[in-house]
Amino acid sequence: ELKVEQNPLFLSMQEGKNYTIYCNYSTTSDRLYWYRQDPGKSLESLFVLLSNGAVKQEGRLMASLDTKARLSTLHITAAVHDLSATYFCAVARRETSGSRLTFGEGTQLTVNP
Amino acid sequence: DSGVTQTPKHLITATGQRVTLRCSPRSGDLSVYWYQQSLDQGLQFLIQYYNGEERAKGNILERFSAQQFPDLHSELNLSSLELGDSALYFCASSPEIGGSYGYTFGSGTRLTVV
Repeated sequence: ELKVEQNPLFLSMQEGKNYTIYCNYSTTSDRLYWYRQDPGKSLESLFVLLSNGAVKQEGRLMASLDTKARLSTLHITAAVHDLSATYFCAVARRETSGSRLTFGEGTQLTVNP
Repeated sequence: DSGVTQTPKHLITATGQRVTLRCSPRSGDLSVYWYQQSLDQGLQFLIQYYNGEERAKGNILERFSAQQFPDLHSELNLSSLELGDSALYFCASSPEIGGSYGYTFGSGTRLTVV
């Protein structure tokens, strides 16, 4: 059974600081996704990582994927209050005739002024 | 607006009742997925349909069923509702089966069972 673990689960940081969220998964996959969720809202797609060594950046967020280590990171640079949200990583597992996403527990990020 | 439309946004119902949640996928997407988000279980995959056919199944309860219609919209039916079924139910869609182009989520239906 595929397991996806994120850490930390809670992160409180100061504006302007840098930090990294880690996502480990238990079985082989070459497709990993990062989502952002504001309280009570939908899941907003941030990054789609489809191969080993993939690195993508959008604004203050950068995501990377190491399929050999089964690890993805989401790096936050110079955090601002607007980044406060819960961040999920999800790993896709292809099945015989379909696919599914398995989500991590989520990292609740609070950026303080 | 993600392009995935879910109705209703909120639903309050009593234990033992039956409800239907509806999802219209993004234009051009053939795959529809249903997920349940609750505080204790997190985000759990329920079921996937592709072009009208069931393609993958998660830990979906026997009291729950789903289908995808020829116009590609999907419905999730929840019956004999229990308090523990209270959750946020998301529908997602993708152009193909494997998710290589990502998955787009709707805004969800918040179900409260009282």
